[in-house]
Order: sequence, then structure tokens, then C-alpha cells
Amino acid sequence: GQQVQQSPTSLVLQEGENAELQCNFSTSLNSMQWFYQRPGGSLISVFYNPSGTKQSGRLTSTTVIKERRSSLHISSSQITDSGTYLCAMEDMGYKLTFGTGTSLLVDP
Amino acid sequence: GALVYQYPRRTICKSGTSMRMECQAVGFQATSVAWYRQSPQKTFELIALSTVNSAIKYEQNFTQEKFPISHPNLSFSSMTVLNAYLEDRGLYLCGARLGYQNTLYFGAGTRLSVL
Repeated sequence: GQQVQQSPTSLVLQEGENAELQCNFSTSLNSMQWFYQRPGGSLISVFYNPSGTKQSGRLTSTTVIKERRSSLHISSSQITDSGTYLCAMEDMGYKLTFGTGTSLLVDP
Repeated sequence: GALVYQYPRRTICKSGTSMRMECQAVGFQATSVAWYRQSPQKTFELIALSTVNSAIKYEQNFTQEKFPISHPNLSFSSMTVLNAYLEDRGLYLCGARLGYQNTLYFGAGTRLSVL
């Protein structure tokens, strides 16, 4: 079955630093999504990115299908960026497989 | 915008009893609905995927006998956790998709505790 490797597992930054989160997947994919998980558990879609680069404010997602990887870049991190980020790959059958998540803590 | 409503947000049940959770797509008709579980200290696992005009497909380790799902129309789905035990604890998320090339919209989840 599909495997999604997400790194790093956790990351601690000082406010203002940049963060780079990575996801690697083992099989062909239809698309890649990045989610932010709130402390209560609910998921917020950050990016739906089948391929290429997308930017939204301080967040940039790049998916390179040939290399089976996707990244989420957070620039000028803020305390409010703290939380868990999950990548999820969608296969040709529209099934989402989640990575194990990156726990990000931004210190003042 | 698209919204997925899940009910209840939290529930506690006694070991061996069952509980039902609901998922409602608001403002759109979902072409597919997926149920996920996040067990403590783990990532999300797909339980089952229900696609319009297709049978509900369960993932390995999850069965219809344990997690029966009802998907009577394109806006509503419910799932029951039968005979719940400690290992069934976790956050159950419902994701609904609008169309086939769109993002999955998730509800806020139902958090199940088992005593």
C-alpha cells in the first residue's frame, strides 16, 4: 500500500525563522494535500497541490510528482503557526493516506 | 463555501456499547465521503470510502460488521462504532468531496472516549 514519510517529526523555531516540512510518498499519486491540525483535532486544509508550486501568504507548497515528494515552506514563522502539520497523498482511487505529522513549535 | 458538519463533537461510551456519529455536507452534494480515525499518538487511518454509485469500501483492519456506514444521500453519512472498546478511542473525521478533482473537506470530528 501507499506509504507517506513525513519529516521532521517535530520542529522548534524562534519567531521569524523559516520552516521546511517534507513529505515523500512511495507510489504514484493523484494529488497531495497539506493540513493543519488544530489542538482540538479538527483539520484545516492548507494546500491542495497536485503538482508544481502554490503560495498563500507566508506558506508555499511545492509538489514534484516525478520525485514523489512535496514540501511545505513557512517563512517568517509566527507563534500562531505552532501546531501539527499533516501531509496526505491521494492515490488514483481518491484515497488519502496521511503522513505521521510534524509538530511545530514557534517560540517568541 | 463548503462545510462539513459532524455530530456529536465528543462522546463517551461504556466498553461494549455502541455509538453512532453523523456527517452532514452543508451547501454541497458530496461525490464521496470518507471516514478516518486518529487513534492516540497516531496519524489518521482511513476506515472506509463511500463513493456515489459504488459500494462502500472498507480498508484492511476495518469491517462493516464493526463500523457499519449508512450513506442514504449525497449530503449525509453516518457511521456506528459497534461494541466499542479501548482501542476504538480516538478522533473520527468525516471528509466529503465535491466533485472528483477537488479537495476533501473535513468536519471537526467526533472524539470518542471509551470507559
